[in-house]
Amino acid sequence: AQSVAQPEDQVNVAEGNPLTVKCTYSVSGNPYLFWYVQYPNRGLQFLLKYITGDNLVKGSYGFEAEFNKSQTSFHLKKPSALVSDSALYFCAVRSTGGGNKLTFGTGTQLKVEL
Amino acid sequence: GAGVSQSPSNKVTEKGKDVELRCDPISGHTALYWYRQRLGQGLEFLIYFQGNSAPDKSGLPSDRFSAERTGESVSTLTIQRTQQEDSAVYLCASSLRGEVAGGRYNEQFFGPGTRLTVL
Repeated sequence: AQSVAQPEDQVNVAEGNPLTVKCTYSVSGNPYLFWYVQYPNRGLQFLLKYITGDNLVKGSYGFEAEFNKSQTSFHLKKPSALVSDSALYFCAVRSTGGGNKLTFGTGTQLKVEL
Repeated sequence: GAGVSQSPSNKVTEKGKDVELRCDPISGHTALYWYRQRLGQGLEFLIYFQGNSAPDKSGLPSDRFSAERTGESVSTLTIQRTQQEDSAVYLCASSLRGEVAGGRYNEQFFGPGTRLTVL
């Protein structure tokens, strides 16, 4: 069975500093990996995905993520955080072995302060 | 065009009552998914539709939960004899097609959710 772990319930960072939100996964076969963001009272918004190709994936709003197969990680990063980045971030995986559902992590609350 | 819409946005019901939650996917999206988000937890997959059929309903937690889709469009999630543990935000998502074709994966677009509170 596939699973996703987000070890940090909350990440605090000062505006202008780099941010990292951690994600590790467990899946049989090659993974399809995703990051979604959830703002208060709004649906999940797609940020970026890794399917194949370059390990560094660039997405919306200046976010990027690095796929590391040996460490089974897909950490979300941004070089310079904004207060408006404060939201709940979810990592998800879809197994290429079949099925179309996404398995989500429990989410990491990002708080960017002035 | 418009995104995924869900109704109602909020639903408060009494234990034991039945509820129906509605999802209108993005026009042209043949794949539709239902997820549940309990407070402080990640999203749990419930059921997946490709067209009007449901090839994967493995996430439905009990036989009190059912879903249908008609016209390859609107979907309804029904919870019978609601229990307090059913309280959650129910999210719907749609994509162009559920299966991966030619190495391309069609990402899922989510609606705003229905917050269900069972008293």
